[in-house]
Amino acid sequence: DTEVTQTPKHLVMGMTNKKSLKCEQHMGHRAMYWYKQKAKKPPELMFVYSYEKLSINESVPSRFSPECPNSSLLNLHLHALQPEDSALYLCASTNTRTVNGYTFGSGTRLTVV
Amino acid sequence: LAKTTQPISMDSYEGQEVNITCSHNNIATNDYITWYQQFPSQGPRFIIQGYKTKVTNEVASLFIPADRKSSTLSLPRVSLSDTAVYYCLVGDGNQGGKLIFGQGTELSVKP
Repeated sequence: DTEVTQTPKHLVMGMTNKKSLKCEQHMGHRAMYWYKQKAKKPPELMFVYSYEKLSINESVPSRFSPECPNSSLLNLHLHALQPEDSALYLCASTNTRTVNGYTFGSGTRLTVV
Repeated sequence: LAKTTQPISMDSYEGQEVNITCSHNNIATNDYITWYQQFPSQGPRFIIQGYKTKVTNEVASLFIPADRKSSTLSLPRVSLSDTAVYYCLVGDGNQGGKLIFGQGTELSVKP
């Protein structure tokens, strides 16, 4: 298995809803990432987990809450989002200096209404 | 973290060779240079990675001069399906480290 799987592929949520994005990989990678990408912009780093511990938080608002229950799974819990949070949310994983770089999932297209 | 600079956009025609150059003047000794391709509404896909000189794989070549302050991604004989955004990134690749994207180059391949 050489993929990063993200679910759901699309999500529409209201500003008062609570939802979660899920990311899974079975490549034995010990670093996992959340990125946010707005239209026509590059991906922006949000969080980094290394060995299931949060190592980097790029000053992301608390309405985004990451969780890494085990080495294969990464969640992003969403609560009280704003319409401007609508974006493509990408998950990635990597091992140290692999020749194949970072492996990205296909993303979750989030729309906040 | 080394910042990268790429052309915002490039146009090409099918069958041509495309070269996209990236500047990274502040690249560190431990940094690798990695290129990704991204189609709309998909995650970036690894293309090629190198440290110095030339690297070639089945889809592209990467040329890195001795001073490593720039790199050039070469796509041989592009097709319409190569229309995408191409990102150049530099970093030490350490597990758990930052991977920061620059603005990328939007390549448009025309018939």
